[in-house]
Amino acid sequence: EVKLVESGGGLVQPGRSLKLSCAASGFSFNDYWMGWVRQAPGKGLEWIGEINQDSSTINYTPSLKDKFTISRDNAQNTLYLQMSKLGSEDTAIYYCARIHTYYFDYWGQGVMVTVSS
Amino acid sequence: DIRMTQSPASLSASLGETVNIECLASEDIYSDLAWYQQKPGKSPQLLIYNANSLQNGVPSRFSGSGSGTQYSLKINSLQSEDVATYFCQQYNNYPTFGGGTKLELK
Repeated sequence: EVKLVESGGGLVQPGRSLKLSCAASGFSFNDYWMGWVRQAPGKGLEWIGEINQDSSTINYTPSLKDKFTISRDNAQNTLYLQMSKLGSEDTAIYYCARIHTYYFDYWGQGVMVTVSS
Repeated sequence: DIRMTQSPASLSASLGETVNIECLASEDIYSDLAWYQQKPGKSPQLLIYNANSLQNGVPSRFSGSGSGTQYSLKINSLQSEDVATYFCQQYNNYPTFGGGTKLELK
């Protein structure tokens, strides 16, 4: 069974950094592109970015390119999202997702990040 | 960015009814379109990919169609467990999502 479990969320002050993790199991992690998507409270879905199997290609939505960094550790079957210079607009549920071809075929349960003083 | 305009934003339908949700892309996306279902408090789940291919395990009352810039999701014989928000997503370019359609029971 494919399982994706995010962790590392919580309350963070504006301007600070936070690193999210996504532990993958039930499939061969190093065979897949992986991605992050977020959803502000009561809002729609926003693609953050994606990373290929060997980390040689990483793409971001332009508005987040200078704030967020995606990485992965294939030995640990873990995907990461490093977020910096956080603002209230970054308050959201953050999902990791497995990418099949180009769509998201499995999603984690999500982790809440709240940016507030 | 390719903009995805979804309609309607909300929809109320009766059990057993047929429901249609539309998604309009700002340019041709060559059927690179997926539909997701998100139940309250849950993560999205893939229903349809490549505009009309049903994901494994998804009930056959769900179907997708369309081409070019216009796509639709059809739900036949609406069931209570179909109450959810539905999103379209294009992946012809960097992924973008429609604004969602909230489906409720009448």
